[in-house]
Amino acid sequence: NAGVTQTPKFQVLKTGQSMTLQCAQDMNHNSMYWYRQDPGMGLRLIYYSASEGTTDKGEVPNGYNVSRLNKREFSLRLESAAPSQTSVYFCASSGGGQASSYEQYFGPGTRLTVT
Amino acid sequence: EDQVTQSPEALRLQEGESSSLNCSYTVSGLRGLFWYRQDPGKGPEFLFTLYSAGEEKEKERLKATLTKKESFLHITAPKPEDSATYLCASSGYSSASKIIFGSGTRLSIRP
Repeated sequence: NAGVTQTPKFQVLKTGQSMTLQCAQDMNHNSMYWYRQDPGMGLRLIYYSASEGTTDKGEVPNGYNVSRLNKREFSLRLESAAPSQTSVYFCASSGGGQASSYEQYFGPGTRLTVT
Repeated sequence: EDQVTQSPEALRLQEGESSSLNCSYTVSGLRGLFWYRQDPGKGPEFLFTLYSAGEEKEKERLKATLTKKESFLHITAPKPEDSATYLCASSGYSSASKIIFGSGTRLSIRP
């Protein structure tokens, strides 16, 4: 039981390049999330998917797109990377539905630098 | 608007010196108050969920408590391995499946 996995762990991009961050969970959770974490800013929600087939914007969605590929996988795409997108990106999942299922479980993160 | 505020931003303690971290929250209809631990270079690790005022949960040297406006994470006789950033988050019935995180308290325990 790996929990939430993310690839890659580290990435360096040049301004204007594109890339996709991958996330998968094996806990049969309904909901999945993408956050970014910057010093002094805490965790900010980029996009989330409450259930398979749905996606919604979070607090900071500009410059990003997401795909909920199936119940297990949720990817985050940067179409044209900018230095302001340098950050640590975390994927999380939660069961959803029942009260105890709103606890979120996080992956190890992807450290992205845009030069 | 739902909001979570943590204090202090940073706390340095001597090994064995007990203390508390504070989390103030404003949410319409609390569904859950969560505590996480985050070590440098890693993702947040879930610790506790509290659902209603008066509830308490314990794990080793940590005890989380909840009132109608605040939650406290009490650390009793901490050890250096308790050094980490502790994050508080809340979920309200109006926010669907989203949760709001505070900016965390960086805890450092000196041997």
